[in-house]
Formats: sequence, C-alpha cells, structure tokens
Amino acid sequence: SQKIEQNSEALNIQEGKTATLTCNYTNYSPAYLQWYRQDPGRGPVFLLLIRENEKEKRKERLKVTFDTTLKQSLFHITASQPADSATYLCAPPSGGYQKVTFGTGTKLQVIP
Amino acid sequence: DGGITQSPKYLFRKEGQNVTLSCEQNLNHDAMYWYRQDPGQGLRLIYYSQIVNDFQKGDIAEGYSVSREKKESFPLTVTSAQKNPTAFYLCASSMGAGGLNTGELFFGEGSRLTVL
Repeated sequence: SQKIEQNSEALNIQEGKTATLTCNYTNYSPAYLQWYRQDPGRGPVFLLLIRENEKEKRKERLKVTFDTTLKQSLFHITASQPADSATYLCAPPSGGYQKVTFGTGTKLQVIP
Repeated sequence: DGGITQSPKYLFRKEGQNVTLSCEQNLNHDAMYWYRQDPGQGLRLIYYSQIVNDFQKGDIAEGYSVSREKKESFPLTVTSAQKNPTAFYLCASSMGAGGLNTGELFFGEGSRLTVL
C-alpha cells in the first residue's frame, strides 16, 4: 500500500542553522508533492509545491528538492529562526489527482 | 475576507449522539475535504468532494457522513457508529482538477470534538 514517512522524532536545531526535514514515500509515484506548516491547534498552511520534473524549488529561506529515483523529498529552512518552530507536513496526492494525503509530520524546534 | 470557516471551534457530545460540524468556504473552490487529526498524528482523510452533489470516501469514512448540496458548504456528521470520535477535525478546500491546478489546500481553523 502507499506509504508516506516523515521523521516522527522532533528536530531541534540552533537558531541560524539550516534545518533539513525528510519525506519518503513508497509504492507510488506522485506527480507533485506539497509541503505545509502546522502550528499547534491550527489548520495547516501551504508553503511550497514541487513537481516531478523539478529538481528544486525555492521560496525565500525555504528550499524543497524532489528525487523521484530515491522517492524522497527534502525540505530545507536556511538561517532558521525561533518563529520557524512548528510541525512540517509533506503531502503528495494519492489515489487520484485530488486526493491529498499527509505524512505524520516532523516537529521542528529552533532554539535561540 | 475569503477563507474557510469551521464551526463550532469546540464541541462536547455524549456517547450515542450524532453531531454535525459545519464547514463553509467563500473561495469559489470546487473541491472540499474533511480530515481528522489525533494527538501527535498526521491528518487522515475522511471524505472529499470534487463537485456539488458528489463525494467520495477517504481512508477512514466509517462512522461519518457528509453532504454537498451547495458549492460553498460541506458539513460532516459524526455518527454514533464512530467508535472513537474524540479528535481535531479539519476542513479544507481547493480549486479542483484541471489546468495547472495542483490541489493546494486551504484549511479552516478546525473543530475539536470531545466525547464525554
């Protein structure tokens, strides 16, 4: 069955460093993959989308890569700030173009 | 402002009671979704609808029902058949299929249901 895996353990990094979060998927080949940010008790907010024919996508301090051979997407936050502390979810479509499924998310804590 | 409104934000219910969660959007989106989130877990898809008067089961539809009579509304009923209904429920919408649309989801603020 289709599976999305994100590192379930929290990631703690020092302010100013680059945070790297991993999303692995198995048993399917999504045409694109989205990343969302979720703060406690709130709904997720869309950050970035990367398509299968794009190796890398950037938006301000965010960068996403998509390796269809490894079946993996990496999400980077450069020059991290305490305000970046949140849970980050990857979301490839599954079982149909409009059926969006989510990984369990990785909780990022940026320490001042 | 355009967006998605969920209500109520908090809801308490006794076992054996049905409860309906409201979701309204004024983004003119075709597709709408309901997800459930349990503590420390990811989002699981309950139901989704790509067009008015049509909807499909997601991964955990048992014990839930939906309707899509209007484009802007997609209410979710949690029935007494749902074994463990206490959770955080999130509604979302997207533009829908076609063109370069990639299904970016816009979420509401969620409804937290507690069964006493």
